[in-house]
Amino acid sequence: SQKIEQNSEALNIQEGKTATLTCNYTNYSPAYLQWYRQDPGRGPVFLLLIRENEKEKRKERLKVTFDTTLKQSLFHITASQPADSATYLCALDISLSSNTGKLIFGQGTTLQVKP
Amino acid sequence: DAGITQSPRHKVTETGTPVTLRCHQTENHRYMYWYRQDPGHGLRLIHYSYGVKDTDKGEVSDGYSVSRSKTEDFLLTLESATSSQTSVYFCAISERGSYGYTFGSGTRLTVV
Repeated sequence: SQKIEQNSEALNIQEGKTATLTCNYTNYSPAYLQWYRQDPGRGPVFLLLIRENEKEKRKERLKVTFDTTLKQSLFHITASQPADSATYLCALDISLSSNTGKLIFGQGTTLQVKP
Repeated sequence: DAGITQSPRHKVTETGTPVTLRCHQTENHRYMYWYRQDPGHGLRLIHYSYGVKDTDKGEVSDGYSVSRSKTEDFLLTLESATSSQTSVYFCAISERGSYGYTFGSGTRLTVV
């Protein structure tokens, strides 16, 4: 079955540094991969989508890479701020040709940025 | 979240009773999804819809049913609630399958 692994332990970094979160997956070849942010008591918020033919995607201080050979995505937050503290979720589309957008999610990595 | 609302936000119910959760959207998006989120399991897909009256099962659909009679409403029913269905339930919408989701604020359901 499809499996997605994210850093299970919380990531603690100092303000201003770059945070790097990892998403590894097995037994699947997704057409695209998505990243979400979730704050306590709230629903996830969509951040970025990267397709299989894209190596890198950027949005402001966020950067995502997608290596289909390694079956891995890296999510970077540069110049991190305490407001970036949250849980970040990786998600893979498993709908194949039906394009129904069925996503499976990793369990998330909690990021804590200290001032 | 703008364009999608879930009701109720919190509910406590007794084992064996039926429960219906509602998801309402104003975005006219085709795709709607129900997920549950539990510690240690993350978000798991229960059911999804790709149009009015078009629904399909996700990975944890046992004990749940859904209906979508209008574009804007997607209902999740727990036919006979069990304690294992205590969870936070999220509804999500998407314009197209390959676009990001917009999630609702969630319903915290406790089955006692």
